[in-house]
Amino acid sequence: GESVGLHLPTLSVQEGDNSIINCAYSNSASDYFIWYKQESGKGPQFIIDIRSNMDKRQGQRVTVLLNKTVKHLSLQIAATQPGDSAVYFCAEGWVYNAGNMLTFGGGTRLMVKP
Amino acid sequence: EAQVTQNPRYLITVTGKKLTVTCSQNMNHEYMSWYRQDPGLGLRQIYYSMNVEVTDKGDVPEGYKVSRKEKRNFPLILESPSPNQTSLYFCASSRGTGTPNYGYTFGSGTRLTVV
Repeated sequence: GESVGLHLPTLSVQEGDNSIINCAYSNSASDYFIWYKQESGKGPQFIIDIRSNMDKRQGQRVTVLLNKTVKHLSLQIAATQPGDSAVYFCAEGWVYNAGNMLTFGGGTRLMVKP
Repeated sequence: EAQVTQNPRYLITVTGKKLTVTCSQNMNHEYMSWYRQDPGLGLRQIYYSMNVEVTDKGDVPEGYKVSRKEKRNFPLILESPSPNQTSLYFCASSRGTGTPNYGYTFGSGTRLTVV
């Protein structure tokens, strides 16, 4: 498959444990944030989003937390499974008159040990 | 099936030989964008398009061209490829302008090698 990052931060967790992936962002004017998952050989896949006026949002087995005070975003994955092994990117977005812009972070590799 | 289709998946070419990577989406999305992905640098935007005949530069546009003659297609053109354009390229699309487009849909990627 495609190598999406040879020198990415790596998080290694045991199958069944919870995973927490962190992301620091720079722009306090961001309107929303998105987490993407990228498996080997595939394009990034949307996981969950959160608007900047929210602190927490939950999906199926995933929770995103937003701390605007310290410009920090986290993705929590409950009961991590082997299929969760991938590179995870956070992205911050802006809405403006002409459209929307999205800037991606560098990514974190999640490795799930059986 | 709603999708973004890129072609080719893999391409090896020589320096200076013009090439085009095609991108097509079947979701009637207004917004389309090209990214390149390099180790340690994440996803960087090359060009984007808000709608037909409306394109603009992203963060790393040098050496690339795009066109948006119709809504579904957004080809990426390398007029004179160089080895530093060796990368993994992704096309993405999303719904219209002026509203949050939380759902970027990405293609499967094009691995380009310029020798």
